[in-house]
Formats: sequence, structure tokens, C-alpha cells
Amino acid sequence: ETGVTQTPRHLVMGMTNKKSLKCEQHLGHNAMYWYKQSAKKPLELMFVYNFKEQTENNSVPSRFSPECPNSSHLFLHLHTLQPEDSALYLCASSQREGNNSPLHFGNGTRLTVT
Amino acid sequence: AQSVTQPDIHITVSEGASLELRCNYSYGATPYLFWYVQSPGQGLQLLLKYFSGDTLVQGIKGFEAEFKRSQSSFNLRKPSVHWSDAAEYFCAVGPNTGGFKTIFGAGTRLFVKA
Repeated sequence: ETGVTQTPRHLVMGMTNKKSLKCEQHLGHNAMYWYKQSAKKPLELMFVYNFKEQTENNSVPSRFSPECPNSSHLFLHLHTLQPEDSALYLCASSQREGNNSPLHFGNGTRLTVT
Repeated sequence: AQSVTQPDIHITVSEGASLELRCNYSYGATPYLFWYVQSPGQGLQLLLKYFSGDTLVQGIKGFEAEFKRSQSSFNLRKPSVHWSDAAEYFCAVGPNTGGFKTIFGAGTRLFVKA
């Protein structure tokens, strides 16, 4: 049990589909993050939420739409994706804002866009 | 600009041998420094962190890292590698002035041979 749970673990979707990734943290943290991990590339920060408010959108295309209904849940809504969006999507949380608070990661959702 | 460099894409060591993974960073002040490990099919797990004080920090699973300001380095070491240490290792840097952005290196994949 990592404390950060992501579902589904694997997702295959067509370019015209709409799907959502879910993340839940059981650590009482106040900040949540979406990262994209592609082969042979550094982790890319996509979105940050602090106390349910989005504080970072790292120039992510609008086909990715995050939602944070409360401090424990984070969603990533996907629509009209491209094959290059295939990657491992990692959710993370941290206790508070500021970088002396380590990130706690979920196991990720492996997304394949066909 | 802030950056993290892990010069080695992959390293192979024999079981029982010592290990050193290199990390260099670029930042104008003393950063917060982290090492994370990612096993196949898993998210990232924090190994250790450095914020201030003693420049040699101990982490989980027998790992340690040394902060060297003069070399802008934060190398990860382990005296005797076990087969279960085979994974990908990420160095990360966070600014000490606050903010959410943790910058990750591209990772070093460790292979352990019997």
C-alpha cells in the first residue's frame, strides 16, 4: 500500500475516446500532482493542485483536463488524445507546498493511445 | 536555469559490489536534493533527501548520498549491491525558496548481475 492509489493501472484508448484517470491519496496531504513519464525522457510535471486550487499548468495541451474535487482526489480527464500521449502517468502528493516536502507517488497508469 | 544531470543512462554492477550513481545540479543557491527509486511497474519511492546540515545523508535500503557544494553534486552510494536493487534511480532538485517545481534528472537504470 503506497498511500497513493491510481486507477486504472493500464488503459488502452482510441484517439476519439474519452476516459479519466483517478488518483486518491490516504496520507492527509494538501498538494497533488500529475506527472507524465515517457521512455528516455525526464519526468514532466503537468499539473499541481494545492488545497484543491490549481497552481501549476505546465503548458499542457487542452486535451488533458485535470480535476481536484478535494485534497484527497485528483482526476485527469482525457479526450482526443494523440499516439504521442502514450506514457506512464504518475500521480503524486506532498504534505504541503514548498520543496522540502518529498513527493509520494502512486504506481501510475500505463496509457496506450491507438 | 535550474537543472539536474545524471550522466549515466545505465550502469551494470555485480551483486555484492559497491555502487555510485552520479548526479550534478545547476542552481544558484543551496537546493533541496532528493534521490528516488523506481522499480518496474511501480511509482517512484523516496530513498533519501538533503535539506541542510550534515552533507552525508543516510536513506532507506542501505543507501547514502553526499552533498558536495563545490562540485554541485549529490552522488548516491551503496557499499554492497543486492539483486533487488535493480531499478531506475532518479535524482531531483527543488528550490529552497518555495514553490512546487521539483526537477528530475533523466534517471539511471541499474542492472545487477549475479
